[in-house]
Amino acid sequence: DIQMTQSPSSVSASVGDRVTITCRASQGIASWLAWYQQKPGKAPKLLIYAASNLQSGVPSRFSGSGSGTDFTLTISSLQPEDFATYYCQQASSSPPTFGQGTKVEIK
Amino acid sequence: QVQLVQSGAEVKKPGSSVKVSCKASGDTFSSYAMSWVRQAPGQGLEWMGGIIPIFGTANDAQKFQGRVTITADKSTNTLYMELSSLRSEDTAVYYCARANNGYEYSPFEYWGQGTLVTVAS
Repeated sequence: DIQMTQSPSSVSASVGDRVTITCRASQGIASWLAWYQQKPGKAPKLLIYAASNLQSGVPSRFSGSGSGTDFTLTISSLQPEDFATYYCQQASSSPPTFGQGTKVEIK
Repeated sequence: QVQLVQSGAEVKKPGSSVKVSCKASGDTFSSYAMSWVRQAPGQGLEWMGGIIPIFGTANDAQKFQGRVTITADKSTNTLYMELSSLRSEDTAVYYCARANNGYEYSPFEYWGQGTLVTVAS
């Protein structure tokens, strides 16, 4: 199975800050990577697919980049509703695997 | 708009089985890969297995092989997941999710609301 490793595991930030989360795959996955946002008690929400494609309805302050084994999710200007946990998922092969999550907390 | 509506919370005893359902509406059910993903309390996301309803053959994560049965009823657009030999470590929220195409490992575009399964004696 492909292992996905996210860093950091948590980050404290203020409204308006730029936040970057990284995700590393244990082997190359081209651009087959997705990012999700999850708020407490809610199902995950797809933000980005194919590493850099914004899902319909997702604000443009979210962006993704990377290919191969190293990927990033950037929130350009953190908003109050962005405080949540973020997960990456490799979409290259079965079984799909997730990173352990990055919690974005209020500073 | 696609909606996935799951069955309600369950409390089960160790060694028993649980069956969770997920009814889809709003779009073609059979053509997209459907999966079950679980999340233990305070933990991350774990894929359990998936199925493409039009084909009917499920693929389960190795960790759950022999314990999980994933089926789909095309006539009612309903996905099922049965987990047997329950143990306390199976206490989790179980989500159904629909991929954005026909591959089980593709990004999960739609999610059910989650079903809490509690295993306790």
